[in-house]
Amino acid sequence: GDSVTQMEGPVTLSEEAFLTINCTYTATGYPSLFWYVQYPGEGLQLLLKATKADDKGSNKGFEATYRKETTSFHLEKGSVQVSDSAVYFCALAVNTGNQFYFGTGTSLTVIP
Amino acid sequence: KAGVTQTPRYLIKTRGQQVTLSCSPISGHRSVSWYQQTPGQGLQFLFEYFSETQRNKGNFPGRFSGRQFSNSRSEMNVSTLELGDSALYLCASSLETSGRGETQYFGPGTRLLVL
Repeated sequence: GDSVTQMEGPVTLSEEAFLTINCTYTATGYPSLFWYVQYPGEGLQLLLKATKADDKGSNKGFEATYRKETTSFHLEKGSVQVSDSAVYFCALAVNTGNQFYFGTGTSLTVIP
Repeated sequence: KAGVTQTPRYLIKTRGQQVTLSCSPISGHRSVSWYQQTPGQGLQFLFEYFSETQRNKGNFPGRFSGRQFSNSRSEMNVSTLELGDSALYLCASSLETSGRGETQYFGPGTRLLVL
């Protein structure tokens, strides 16, 4: 079946460090891929997305490239800030409509 | 534009009872999806409604049901509550123009505690 596997957390980084959160997927069809973020005390919000192979989604300094050959959509940021502390979810949607499959989430804490 | 709203925000019920949760999507959004979020299982898809019809369904027992009204508002019902139903229930809406994988906008959730 369709599923997403993402890096276990929690992840703790110092400010300005490089961030990578790994995400791989299994899909029967041709999925769209997403990263959602949940800041403390807030709801889930879209961070970035990619809808076809080799597309790169980017937002707020975060990037992820849709890699069909490795079935991956890893999230990266060159220099994290304290304000990036949150839980990050990788997700895919493959069916007609909006049936999303989410990873388990990776908690990121950035320390000054 | 107002975001997705969910009511109530918190609920405490006992085993065997039933509960109804409500979701009002962003104005103009026609697709509403429901998710269950727990520490152990993460975010799991319950079902999606579009134009008052259930379009997709996750792997949850029949005790979980939903519906959508003509104004796109949606309700979710859980009957015969079990302790394991304690979770954060999230509603998400999307505009629905392309038919697949539209950006979903999430509400704050309803936290349900079953005692």
